[in-house]
Amino acid sequence: SQQGEEDPQALSIQEGENATMNCSYKTSINNLQWYRQNSGRGLVHLILIRSNEREKHSGRLRVTLDTSKKSSSLLITASRAADTASYFCATFYSGGGADGLTFGKGTHLIIQP
Amino acid sequence: DTAVSQTPKYLVTQMGNDKSIKCEQNLGHDTMYWYKQDSKKFLKIMFSYNNKELIINETVPNRFSPKSPDKAHLNLHINSLELGDSAVYFCASGTGLTGANVLTFGAGSRLTVL
Repeated sequence: SQQGEEDPQALSIQEGENATMNCSYKTSINNLQWYRQNSGRGLVHLILIRSNEREKHSGRLRVTLDTSKKSSSLLITASRAADTASYFCATFYSGGGADGLTFGKGTHLIIQP
Repeated sequence: DTAVSQTPKYLVTQMGNDKSIKCEQNLGHDTMYWYKQDSKKFLKIMFSYNNKELIINETVPNRFSPKSPDKAHLNLHINSLELGDSAVYFCASGTGLTGANVLTFGAGSRLTVL
């Protein structure tokens, strides 16, 4: 099935350091999105990058997309304790009986104060 | 004003019971979804509904049924609950546009089946 796979599964860094998470997907896409989920909460959209874009910025977030490798990365610069959360990449998938965003398994990011 | 609200937030029930989770969105979106998140945080789409067409993930048991009284609501009914149904269920809404379908999620409903 169309599904992203994030890497690493878990990441622990010191506050102020940069955090990089990677995502791989299986089939061609129109766009790829990243979402954040704080503990016990719903997912929140962070950024969308279209298939014809290679890099996109939003505040301290930088997303890259390599369609030839079917991969994306999310970089969080100057991390803060509040960035502690799980991060998911998502792509739109039509098929298998349900149209909608298909999410990867997520990267759990812990920012140590 | 909460964009996507779902109730209840917590639900504890016995095996075999029937339960419902309600979801409402005030964003004017055309499409609503139900997702199931298991204990390993894996999110699985269960249903998508765009006001005219219900699309069911073929792996979802028919004990699960979505019901939409109107465009702003998509409720989830679960019959004959099983232990494996324990999970967090998320409702979401989106514009339904293939090229830029950004989802807004509710806070989740944690279902525990004893």
